[in-house]
Amino acid sequence: KQEVTQIPAALSVPEGENLVLNCSFTDSAIYNLQWFRQDPGKGLTSLLLIQSSQREQTSGRLNASLDKSSGRSTLYIAASQPGDSATYLCAASNTGKLIFGQGTTLQVKP
Amino acid sequence: EPEVTQTPSHQVTQMGQEVILRCVPISNHLYFYWYRQILGQKVEFLVSFYNNEISEKSEIFDDQFSVERPDGSNFTLKIRSTKLEDSAMYFCASSKKREGTEAFFGQGTRLTVV
Repeated sequence: KQEVTQIPAALSVPEGENLVLNCSFTDSAIYNLQWFRQDPGKGLTSLLLIQSSQREQTSGRLNASLDKSSGRSTLYIAASQPGDSATYLCAASNTGKLIFGQGTTLQVKP
Repeated sequence: EPEVTQTPSHQVTQMGQEVILRCVPISNHLYFYWYRQILGQKVEFLVSFYNNEISEKSEIFDDQFSVERPDGSNFTLKIRSTKLEDSAMYFCASSKKREGTEAFFGQGTRLTVV
């Protein structure tokens, strides 16, 4: 049974810092891994999708990597801004359904 | 940009009542999903739907739950007899393919059972 874990649970950084969020999964037989952003009381906004054949994906200041063999993915956020404050979720997929981690709540202080 | 829309945004219902949560997936998507998130907990998969039938469901999705695509645009989740523990945020999602493409989520329906 796939389990997804995210570390740390919460993170507070000053504006401008580069930071890394971690995601690990127990079953490496995934088709893809997707990163989402969730603002309080809101829906999930897709940030990046990495297919199993890919090593990384980039969108603006975000870069996500995938290492299937070690069961890990990281989300790198460059030059963090207060507007990046949110909960970041990773989700692994191997049958179409997404299995989510518990999220990392990020606070970027001005 | 196309988006998944859900209605209502918030529903309050009495225990034992039936509720129907509605979703309009992105128009050219073929795979539809329902997830739920109990306050403070992980987002959990409920059911996936393709070609007018359930393709996979979780242990949570028992006989109290059903899904339907009544027409070419709507996708609904029905809870027949709500319990207090059904209180959660319910998310609808859709994707073009089963794998390899992004899943897009709606803004959710917050269901409160009293």
